[in-house]
Amino acid sequence: DTGVSQDPRHKITKRGQNVTFRCDPISEHNRLYWYRQTLGQGPEFLTYFQNEAQLEKSRLLSDRFSAERPKGSFSTLEIQRTEQGDSAMYLCASSSGLQGSKLSEAYEQYFGPGTRLTVT
Amino acid sequence: AQSVTQLGSHVSVSEGALVLLRCNYSSSVPPYLFWYVQYPNQGLQLLLKYTTGATLVKGINGFEAEFKKSETSFHLTKPSAHMSDAAEYFCAVSGRSGTYKYIFGTGTRLKVLA
Repeated sequence: DTGVSQDPRHKITKRGQNVTFRCDPISEHNRLYWYRQTLGQGPEFLTYFQNEAQLEKSRLLSDRFSAERPKGSFSTLEIQRTEQGDSAMYLCASSSGLQGSKLSEAYEQYFGPGTRLTVT
Repeated sequence: AQSVTQLGSHVSVSEGALVLLRCNYSSSVPPYLFWYVQYPNQGLQLLLKYTTGATLVKGINGFEAEFKKSETSFHLTKPSAHMSDAAEYFCAVSGRSGTYKYIFGTGTRLKVLA
């Protein structure tokens, strides 16, 4: 168990460019979440996958944002035509669900280190 | 809809003093409750959680929290602050069904004074 990893850790881009972030969850976890954290705020939910199915999207996720989890393993979050307001820390988290886990642990989310996006 | 309120965006305590970070939630049914800690430029680390059973829960690094349904609170405490406790602390709730997504508070930055 190497934990949740995210790549890149930092990304600086110019307004209008597209960016893509990757998240590798803990290998046996079937649930994957993306959150966005702006300065001085708590993380805000963006989207959720159970295996490869994207089951919920926040209204924060405008049509410039798209997320995928093609084989139910790693996930990508793409932002098209970036805006300065997209500057934030993007956090990925995973949880095991009920598969082989105690209820008290099944929905505990493990977070990656985040990708800090700066749009100039 | 669920919401979380953390009173005090900044809290300062002396080293060795009691740490008390406040969290109140709003939910139509008792949610799952979590406290996470975040060090600069890092992700979130789980300190402790309440899902069911005993309402006083103990976590890592000497922290504990008590779920009080009547007060809709889940305050985080530590008897004696250490310099290494300086960080940002987030309270979060999730539903007991559906996506189990977290709703976070705005966080409390803890400063420990020597």
